[in-house]
Amino acid sequence: EAAVTQSPRNKVAVTGGKVTLSCNQTNNHNNMYWYRQDTGHGLRLIHYSYGAGSTEKGDIPDGYKASRPSQENFSLILELATPSQTSVYFCASGRALNQDTQYFGPGTRLLVL
Amino acid sequence: SQWGEENLQALSIQEGEDVTMNCSYKTYTTVVQWYRQKSGKGPAQLILIRSNEREKRSGRLRATLDTSSQSSSLSITGTLATDTAVYFCATHYNQGKLIFGQGTKLSIKP
Repeated sequence: EAAVTQSPRNKVAVTGGKVTLSCNQTNNHNNMYWYRQDTGHGLRLIHYSYGAGSTEKGDIPDGYKASRPSQENFSLILELATPSQTSVYFCASGRALNQDTQYFGPGTRLLVL
Repeated sequence: SQWGEENLQALSIQEGEDVTMNCSYKTYTTVVQWYRQKSGKGPAQLILIRSNEREKRSGRLRATLDTSSQSSSLSITGTLATDTAVYFCATHYNQGKLIFGQGTKLSIKP
């Protein structure tokens, strides 16, 4: 079964600070995704990647950067965190871009004060 | 049903009852996935159904897909307390990215 891990699991940050959320997958999947989940909005795609070195903007990329240094690792970076970025963030991986299962990590709960 | 700007739907039923959750989508797709998310966990896929299947079963789960009405349903027979979760449908769009519905919060009373 797919194994996607995220760290940290919980994070409290200050407004204007830098936050890095990390994701690791051990399934050798090419594609990885970052979502945020808020009440009333479901899951929304922030950034995604087709493989090491590639990052693409999703539906709500403003205020976020992403980095894919290797097949296994995909990071989400908030350079200047704002309270509106308080949310639960999920990383996912998948084998192929089209019509395939995505495997999700356990999530990171971020609170920006 | 769930989609777009609709609020999270909520259903509460007794254990042992059957339940059907509906999903309607706006853009053309040939694949619908259903995911389940338990409290404090990430979503996990339950069923993937393609347009040429119309119906797919997996244990107590049954999914349908009607591309002409752009709708899908997920039925659970003989619900258990452990089926308590939020259920999402998801479709592929724009180079295969997933778009998720708002979800149906299902509570099973023991």
